Amino acid sequence: NAGVTQTPKFQVLKTGQSMTLQCAQDMNHEYMSWYRQDPGMGLRLIHYSVGAGITDQGEVPNGYNVSRSTTEDFPLRLLSAAPSQTSVYFCASRKPPPNGQGVRRHSNQPQHFGDGTRLSIL
Amino acid sequence: KQEVTQIPAALSVPEGENLVLNCSFTDSAIYNLQWFRQDPGKGLTSLLLIQSSQREQTSGRLNASLDKSSGRSTLYIAASQPGDSATYLCAVLAGDYKLSFGAGTTVTVRA
Repeated sequence: NAGVTQTPKFQVLKTGQSMTLQCAQDMNHEYMSWYRQDPGMGLRLIHYSVGAGITDQGEVPNGYNVSRSTTEDFPLRLLSAAPSQTSVYFCASRKPPPNGQGVRRHSNQPQHFGDGTRLSIL
Repeated sequence: KQEVTQIPAALSVPEGENLVLNCSFTDSAIYNLQWFRQDPGKGLTSLLLIQSSQREQTSGRLNASLDKSSGRSTLYIAASQPGDSATYLCAVLAGDYKLSFGAGTTVTVRA
């Protein structure tokens, strides 16, 4: 029962390097998202996707790219790592809402999280 | 912009005492509110989800209430145990289908 799987769990990068954080879910969830968690600030939304081929920006998208070619995978790319991107990154997914319930359809669907990727930029 | 606040930031209680964790939010137009538990170095585990039409949800020793009009939720944990030590986060889902999180309350239950 894998749920949401994130790799790697830990990574150290040098300033200017690029890398991709992987996220995969096996629950057939349409909605996936990336958050970063910094001390005292809670989780902040970076990018999200409501289905394959559809992505959008969250609260703090600068310096990150995403793509969603399949329902299962939602990778997060750091284009040119900066020390300000040192953080813990979480991927999350949510079950497809039932059809025909309008705006209420999201109201009873909990969010499932991966264990996170701890990223340090030197 | 939705702002979610959790007070206090940290809480230490002796084993057996009841825990009361508070969450407030600025925009009452929400779809639901979720309480999560986060253990050190781990991800978030969903504890309770309260839909906007509900007043409370219960699971075992946990009870969460929601007063949408006043922008408040409270998580009660009865008869606390050392295993309840963790950080508890609340999050609200609003009209743009995005979750807004509080910074969390770190709980320590002393044996």
